[in-house]
Amino acid sequence: DARVTQTPRHKVTEMGQEVTMRCQPILGHNTVFWYRQTMMQGLELLAYFRNRAPLDDSGMPKDRFSAEMPDATLATLKIQPSEPRDSAVYFCASGLILDTIYFGEGSWLTVV
Amino acid sequence: AQSVAQPEDQVNVAEGNPLTVKCTYSVSGNPYLFWYVQYPNRGLQFLLKYITGDNLVKGSYGFEAEFNKSQTSFHLKKPSALVSDSALYFCAVRAFTGGGNKLTFGTGTQLKVEL
Repeated sequence: DARVTQTPRHKVTEMGQEVTMRCQPILGHNTVFWYRQTMMQGLELLAYFRNRAPLDDSGMPKDRFSAEMPDATLATLKIQPSEPRDSAVYFCASGLILDTIYFGEGSWLTVV
Repeated sequence: AQSVAQPEDQVNVAEGNPLTVKCTYSVSGNPYLFWYVQYPNRGLQFLLKYITGDNLVKGSYGFEAEFNKSQTSFHLKKPSALVSDSALYFCAVRAFTGGGNKLTFGTGTQLKVEL
């Protein structure tokens, strides 16, 4: 059963520390998304890749966030330095162009 | 810019009664519409989608949705609700615009099914 795999599932870190979240998209999928979910803002699109190229990262705070796809099997989202307001659930999702996208179980981040 | 509106933050329904969760969208071009469900502490799970063809689409767990182009709506329905259907439901739209085709979500509707 193919699925999007995210690590870590849970992370508690201190303010100012670097946080790296990883995602393994479903094999063969050529679009990858990073979303952030909070109670206040709901689901926000942070970054979007197609064929490993970043197409849209307008929703991502550029000063501290970065997203990359080093290869087709790995997407990363980094926060440096982290702040308490970054506490949220970060979801990775993958799919094919104009088709269903499938979500991972999320990385639950708490910055204290 | 594309957008999705889910006008109800919460929908309450008695078990066994029909349920409807509303969704309207705005997009340039032909819309690709989706419904997802999220259970507590879980990721979003795909329920159903409309790409083209029959306006009534059927999905997982007995859910269905009706695409109405004139009203730009894609309401989620189920003939008989179960307590286990209680969850957060998201409507989403995807369209090919320019160089991208990102998925835009509504704010979500909390469905509560009571005995």
